[in-house]
Amino acid sequence: GDSVTQMEGPVTLSEEAFLTINCTYTATGYPSLFWYVQYPGEGLQLLLKATKADDKGSNKGFEATYRKETTSFHLEKGSVQVSDSAVYFCAPFTGRRALTFGSGTRLQVQP
Amino acid sequence: DTGVSQDPRHKITKRGQNVTFRCDPISEHNRLYWYRQTLGQGPEFLTYFQNEAQLEKSRLLSDRFSAERPKGSFSTLEIQRTEQGDSAMYLCASSLEDNYGYTFGSGTRLTVV
Repeated sequence: GDSVTQMEGPVTLSEEAFLTINCTYTATGYPSLFWYVQYPGEGLQLLLKATKADDKGSNKGFEATYRKETTSFHLEKGSVQVSDSAVYFCAPFTGRRALTFGSGTRLQVQP
Repeated sequence: DTGVSQDPRHKITKRGQNVTFRCDPISEHNRLYWYRQTLGQGPEFLTYFQNEAQLEKSRLLSDRFSAERPKGSFSTLEIQRTEQGDSAMYLCASSLEDNYGYTFGSGTRLTVV
C-alpha cells in the first residue's frame, strides 16, 4: 500500500530561517502528492499539491516539487514565521482507498 | 458554504456509554471520510463513503463502531460501549474528486473516563 516517510520532528527554527521538510513516498503507479498542515487544536488543511512529475505546488510561500525519479516531495519555505508553527503531513494518493498519513513533522518557529 | 462541520467539538463520556458524532460535508462533495487521530500521531483512516455507499472500512473499525451516511449528505459515527482507548480526535473530511484534496472539519475530541 501507499506509505510515506517524513523527517522526525520537532524541527526548531528561528524566524526568517529557511525551511526544508523531507518527504519520500512509496506508492504504486503515479500518485498525486499532497502536503497538509495542522495548527494546534484544529483539523488538517490542504497546503499544496502536485499531480504529475515535475509539477511544483505552492501556497503561502511554501513550495514542493514532485520528483518521480527520487520519489520525493520535499516542502520548502524561504523565510518562516512564528505563525507557521504547526504539524506538516505529506500524503501520496494513488486513487485507491483514501489518503494515508504518516506521523507528520512538527515545526516550531521561535521569534 | 462554511466548510466541513463536526458536532460536537468535545465529548466527555463514561466508559461503557454510547456516543454519536455528526459530520456535515461541503454540500457538493460526494466523498466523505472518517479518520481518528491520537496525540502526536497522524490521522488513521477509519472509513469512507461515496454518496451513501460505504466503500471501505479499516480494520481499526471494530464492531463497536458504525458509520452511516443516509441520503449521501451528512454522516454519523457511533461508538458503542466506549473504552478508554477510544479517546482520540475524530476527524471528518470530504472531497469532490480524489485529486482535489480533502477538506477537513475541526474534529470531535472524545475523552472516555
